[in-house]
Amino acid sequence: AQSVTQLGSHVSVSEGALVLLRCNYSSSVPPYLFWYVQYPNQGLQLLLKYTTGATLVKGINGFEAEFKKSETSFHLTKPSAHMSDAAEYFCAVSEKDTGRRALTFGSGTRLQVQP
Amino acid sequence: EAGVTQFPSHSVIEKGQTVTLRCDPISGHDNLYWYRRVMGKEIKFLLHFVKESKQDESGMPNNRFLAERTGGTYSTLKVQPAELEDSGVYFCASSQEKGLAGGYNEQFFGPGTRLTVL
Repeated sequence: AQSVTQLGSHVSVSEGALVLLRCNYSSSVPPYLFWYVQYPNQGLQLLLKYTTGATLVKGINGFEAEFKKSETSFHLTKPSAHMSDAAEYFCAVSEKDTGRRALTFGSGTRLQVQP
Repeated sequence: EAGVTQFPSHSVIEKGQTVTLRCDPISGHDNLYWYRRVMGKEIKFLLHFVKESKQDESGMPNNRFLAERTGGTYSTLKVQPAELEDSGVYFCASSQEKGLAGGYNEQFFGPGTRLTVL
């Protein structure tokens, strides 16, 4: 069975600082990988995804993530945090080899951005 | 184009009562999914419809939960009778049938229904 681990349920950074949110997955076959963001009182929005090809993927709002197979990781980064980035971020995976569509999520990381 | 909508946004019920949640997917999306997040834990998959058929219901916790998708359009999720541990946020998502490049269909999520069982 797949599992996703997000280190740190809460991360606080200063405005303008680097954002690094960690995600590791456990799967016998490298899965599809996703980062979702949830702003207050809104649904989950896809930030970026890795399905195939280039391992460094760019998403919306200046975020990017790199798939590292050897480390089974898909960490999310942004060079300079903005106040509007404050939200909860979820890493998720989906099986690539079975065609099963269900997403398996990590427990989420709440990002605070200090002025 | 309207996104995924869910109704109600909040529901507060007593233990033992019945609640029905509704999800309207994006028009033309054959795939519909239900997920829930309980007590600030991870979001967990409940089930997946393709049109009106249940493709995968491996995440349904027990037989108190009944999901339907009549006519392959909107879906309902009924909890009967509700228990305290059913409290949480129930999310619905939808996706197209045909895969995007790379073979994966993006799932678009609704805002969720917050269910509180007292």
